[in-house]
Amino acid sequence: EVQLVESGGGLVQPGGSLRLSCAASGFTFSNYWMHWVRQAPGKGLVWVSRISKDGRSTSYADSVKGRFTISRDNAKNTLDLQMNSLRAEDTAVYYCARDLQYNLPDYWGQGTLVTVSS
Amino acid sequence: QSALTQPPSASGSPGQSVTISCTGTSGDIGGYNYVSWYQQHLGKAPKLIIYEVSKRPSGVPDRFSASKSGNTASLTVSGLQAEDEADYYCSSYAGSKNALFGGGTKLTVL
Repeated sequence: EVQLVESGGGLVQPGGSLRLSCAASGFTFSNYWMHWVRQAPGKGLVWVSRISKDGRSTSYADSVKGRFTISRDNAKNTLDLQMNSLRAEDTAVYYCARDLQYNLPDYWGQGTLVTVSS
Repeated sequence: QSALTQPPSASGSPGQSVTISCTGTSGDIGGYNYVSWYQQHLGKAPKLIIYEVSKRPSGVPDRFSASKSGNTASLTVSGLQAEDEADYYCSSYAGSKNALFGGGTKLTVL
């Protein structure tokens, strides 16, 4: 069974940093591109970032470019999102998701809540 | 404003059918046969229910069907059940751009 379990969310002040992690199991992690997708309270899904199977290729939404860094450790089956210079508008549930094909996710984790507030 | 346009709400009575639309452009929905639909119950993670425009993953009831015409994709839920009440999101491959999501449609079973 495919499982994606996020962790690392919490309350952080504006300008602060947070590192999210996603532990993957039930599939061959190194065979899949992976995504981070976020959802602000009461709002829709917004794609944040994706990373290639080997970690060499990454891309970001314009809203987080230069502030967020996606990475992965295929030996540990983990996906990370380093978030710096956080803003109030980054407040959201962050989901880790596996890529099915063509940048479209299939399996999603349960999400981790990030709240940016003073 | 989301890149793909969905109606904010839809509703139907148990047993009825309801269709949710998702409108994009020739650069996304209209240009590729890679449209997915996700179901999200309140407080839960999204669940894939349709991929490649009209294919259903294993375990998804055949009450869920989908299609595409031009720049618009559609999801139809037939034989509505109370458990179908949820938010539904479309998503499309967009070539060199990253994947796009619709704004979501809240489906209410009356």
